[in-house]
Amino acid sequence: DAGITQSPRHKVTETGTPVTLRCHQTENHRYMYWYRQDPGHGLRLIHYSYGVKDTDKGEVSDGYSVSRSKTEDFLLTLESATSSQTSVYFCATRGDETQYFGPGTRLLVL
Amino acid sequence: AQSVAQPEDQVNVAEGNPLTVKCTYSVSGNPYLFWYVQYPNRGLQFLLKYITGDNLVKGSYGFEAEFNKSQTSFHLKKPSALVSDSALYFCAVRAGDNNNDMRFGAGTRLTVKP
Repeated sequence: DAGITQSPRHKVTETGTPVTLRCHQTENHRYMYWYRQDPGHGLRLIHYSYGVKDTDKGEVSDGYSVSRSKTEDFLLTLESATSSQTSVYFCATRGDETQYFGPGTRLLVL
Repeated sequence: AQSVAQPEDQVNVAEGNPLTVKCTYSVSGNPYLFWYVQYPNRGLQFLLKYITGDNLVKGSYGFEAEFNKSQTSFHLKKPSALVSDSALYFCAVRAGDNNNDMRFGAGTRLTVKP
């Protein structure tokens, strides 16, 4: 978890509301990722970034958007949260061919 | 697209015994293979990786893994298990020429009993 923080760590929200999760890194890594973790699925890639203002979709990007205005920050937004987006969200950065993960955000959509 | 299979949801071993957590993969091109461990309410911690070179890779906390190209496997092993090794273990793979499409297995829960 060193060098990567996520906020908030826990959030409860209602269906239809917007939610933004923040990932902050101090590693100065170029690549950053957002994953969701669900039982029986492991981790699945939502979006990733390969530089400031450069982002691309992952395996499960529907319903999510991202932004990266600074090297150290990568934001994940759920424009209108749904119950199917209840999950644990992990941010990661990549250095030396290896991805390193933050502590996660547990999101509950009621 | 690449994929990973962890055929065992749960592995139970006694403390002091050797442990194996299995992983098989499918990928086009050269595989980059990884093992991560997750403790409760924590993020994934990197254990070890295979990129190229020696098929036997040594990692953190006494873990090692063997890359077997013919069997498309990358099993995680440890000669003597500790109770503190109890956790959720994930295998992951990506193609060497695609830096961003990493696929994870569903995870294997390892329980080491005293």
